[in-house]
Amino acid sequence: QKEVEQNSGPLSVPEGAIASLNCTYSDRGSQSFFWYRQYSGKSPELIMSIYSNGDKEDGRFTAQLNKASQYVSLLIRDSQPSDSATYLCAVNWETGNQFYFGTGTSLTVIP
Amino acid sequence: DVKVTQSSRYLVKRTGEKVFLECVQDMDHENMFWYRQDPGLGLRLIYFSYDVKMKEKGDIPEGYSVSREKKERFSLILESASTNQTSMYLCASSSPFLGARIPGANVLTFGAGSRLTVL
Repeated sequence: QKEVEQNSGPLSVPEGAIASLNCTYSDRGSQSFFWYRQYSGKSPELIMSIYSNGDKEDGRFTAQLNKASQYVSLLIRDSQPSDSATYLCAVNWETGNQFYFGTGTSLTVIP
Repeated sequence: DVKVTQSSRYLVKRTGEKVFLECVQDMDHENMFWYRQDPGLGLRLIYFSYDVKMKEKGDIPEGYSVSREKKERFSLILESASTNQTSMYLCASSSPFLGARIPGANVLTFGAGSRLTVL
């Protein structure tokens, strides 16, 4: 069983819509969760981190964490063509100091 | 801002050559990592290091070795490059988990990547 799983997509949304990206993970105790954005040919860059159950908002981005159901999601409101990228979910099981990544979801925002 | 610098963006090597990929970070991070990224396979951890002269194998260490002689520098070595090592290599660093949700702590920051082609 993979530690972190994402739907690879591709996911297409029209400009201005809400894009919803999901990630499930194996339960191994205390965790930190991260969403990274990766443009084609570039390295991943951090968008959001979330540590506690509930929602965390930062501009057009909202991360949602539900530990009971073992999923973390990323909502992008008012999607823009510049949001077109691959989004990587990462989990850090803090006892191990390692980061585990999903394979990423490819998002295309259609003008 | 944390800066992680990888010495080469693009490299082309021949089968059997020894390859060095260098990575330097400037934020005094204890943890450093080497990943490779391939289409459909995502990011896979090759090696990581928690401290100077310390290294741990990741998920795919075969064919690779690492060196960490100084805290800020973590090198990946391909002793004898093979075509199946053609990939994007990503270096990253982080501070260790400190037991508290300190903003910016325990966040993985990546370098720009090194695209290696082995012919």
